[in-house]
Formats: sequence, structure tokens, C-alpha cells
Amino acid sequence: KNQVEQSPQSLIILEGKNCTLQCNYTVSPFSNLRWYKQDTGRGPVSLTIMTFSENTKSNGRYTATLDADTKQSSLHITASQLSDSASYICVVSEGGGNKLTFGTGTQLKVEL
Amino acid sequence: DVKVTQSSRYLVKRTGEKVFLECVQDMDHENMFWYRQDPGLGLRLIYFSYDVKMKEKGDIPEGYSVSREKKERFSLILESASTNQTSMYLCASSLRHSTGNTIYFGEGSWLTVV
Repeated sequence: KNQVEQSPQSLIILEGKNCTLQCNYTVSPFSNLRWYKQDTGRGPVSLTIMTFSENTKSNGRYTATLDADTKQSSLHITASQLSDSASYICVVSEGGGNKLTFGTGTQLKVEL
Repeated sequence: DVKVTQSSRYLVKRTGEKVFLECVQDMDHENMFWYRQDPGLGLRLIYFSYDVKMKEKGDIPEGYSVSREKKERFSLILESASTNQTSMYLCASSLRHSTGNTIYFGEGSWLTVV
């Protein structure tokens, strides 16, 4: 069964600090991997999309990495801000790209 | 700016009622999706549609139906709402070949069935 597992489940950091969120997947055949940010009570918003051949992709202070061999991805947040407090969801696309498997998310809280 | 609009943000319905959740996108996307999101579970696909009047069952279609009469609109229907359908419902859309293309989500509809 295709699965996407994220760790940690939740995380609290101080404003200005960096953090890294992890995503391991067993989805096959792999098409692409996406990271979404979901603020409380809102819909998910896309941060990055990476295909098989991409190792790293950045979006401002967010940098995603992908190791297709080990089936692992990470999302690194640099110089965190209070507005980064949200759930971060890893999503892996199978085959042609329309079949998505969602992780349960990492809940990040940034505090003063 | 791209937009997926879900008409109702918060609804409270009684058990047995018929419930309509409406979703409209303004990006001329072929694909539209309905998911539900529950605590501790990832988003789960209910139904999706890749063209007008076309629909495909997702992972949890039981108790739901959908309608896509126009390209921009995708409706989720709960024929007879039950308490286990209390959840957050998310509509999404994307271009037909979604590989590498962004999937855009609406803001969600919180449904409580009492």
C-alpha cells in the first residue's frame, strides 16, 4: 500500500531558528513530490513540486530536498517567522500524476 | 490570482438531510477533486473529475455523489448526511496533466452533522 510518513508529528521552535521536516514515502511508481503549507482552518497552499530528477527546490525561505533512491524528502525552513506556524503536508503523486497520497502533516509552531 | 471558491465555509446539518457542497474554479482547469480531511488522517480523495460530466471514484466514495455540469463547477452531494460525515471538505483543481502542475485548493468547508 502506498504510504507517506512525516516526522516529527509536531514541532515548536523559536522565531529566527531553522528547522527541518521529514517525509518518507513508499509510493510507486513515483511521479512527483509536493510540499504544502496549511494554515489553521484554511486550505493547503503549494510550496514546492519536485520530479524524479530534481534534488533541491527553493521557494523563499523554504528549501525542499528529494532523494528518490531512499524515497525521502525534507523541507528546511530558514530564519523562521511567526507566520510559518502551520501544518506542512508532504504529498506524493503516483504514476501519471493524478493519484496523490497525502502525509498526515507536521504541525509547526513558531514562538517568540 | 488563481482561485478555487467553496461556497459554504461552515455548515450544520441534521442526520438524513441532503447536503450540497459547491466549488467553483476560475482557472479553466480540467481536473477537479473533492477531499475530506480528518485529524490524524491525511487528505482522502472522495471523487474527482477530469472533464465535464465525467467522474471517477476516489478512495472513499461511499455516501457521496458528485456533479459536474460545467467545467468550472464541481459539486459534492451527501444524499443522506450521517454523523460520521462530519469533517472538513476540500475542493481542488488542476490542469489535465497534473504532473509538475500545481494543484490548487479551496479554503475548505466545515460540515457538522448532528
